[in-house]
Amino acid sequence: AQTVTQSQPEMSVQEAETVTLSCTYDTSESDYYLFWYKQPPSRQMILVIRQEAYKQQNATENRFSVNFQKAAKSFSLKISDSQLGDAAMYFCAHNAGNNRKLIWGLGTSLAVNP
Amino acid sequence: KAGVTQTPRYLIKTRGQQVTLSCSPISGHRSVSWYQQTPGQGLQFLFEYFSETQRNKGNFPGRFSGRQFSNSRSEMNVSTLELGDSALYLCASSLWGPGYGYTFGSGTRLTVV
Repeated sequence: AQTVTQSQPEMSVQEAETVTLSCTYDTSESDYYLFWYKQPPSRQMILVIRQEAYKQQNATENRFSVNFQKAAKSFSLKISDSQLGDAAMYFCAHNAGNNRKLIWGLGTSLAVNP
Repeated sequence: KAGVTQTPRYLIKTRGQQVTLSCSPISGHRSVSWYQQTPGQGLQFLFEYFSETQRNKGNFPGRFSGRQFSNSRSEMNVSTLELGDSALYLCASSLWGPGYGYTFGSGTRLTVV
């Protein structure tokens, strides 16, 4: 069965510092996609970053980057130069093969301290 | 470019009633998916429609149904509401499917009393 595990229910970071959120997943598929989504208190889910499993290069979007370790089935998100607006719930998600749905982790609540 | 629009934003219903939620995807997006979000279970997949065809369905009872119209707008219906159906219902659209990344609506908060 496909699963996604986020082992850190809550994290905090000082403004301008760097924080890393962890995610592990399990799948038997070789072709899949991984995502990080952000859900601020406004509750609208926003796509942060997308990684294609066949690409060895880690995806990067401005201050957001991932460390994709395919063999270890690990997909962590690094946020550099944290800003107050980064405070939100962060979800790791996985989409595999022809399965037309996302499997989600339970989320990590990130607080950014001024 | 308009985003994904979900209506209504809030809804209070009584047990046993039925409810219909609406979702208008981003123009040109043919894939519309629905998720239920609760504090205990997190995000659970309900169904996905692509060009009016249901492509996948989650493990929800038959009381949960949906459809997609020719303009890609989608509705989901929950009949015989139960207290446990109280949740945030999120609609997401994508050009080709979930692997390409979703754009989400703001959700409908359903409270069953």
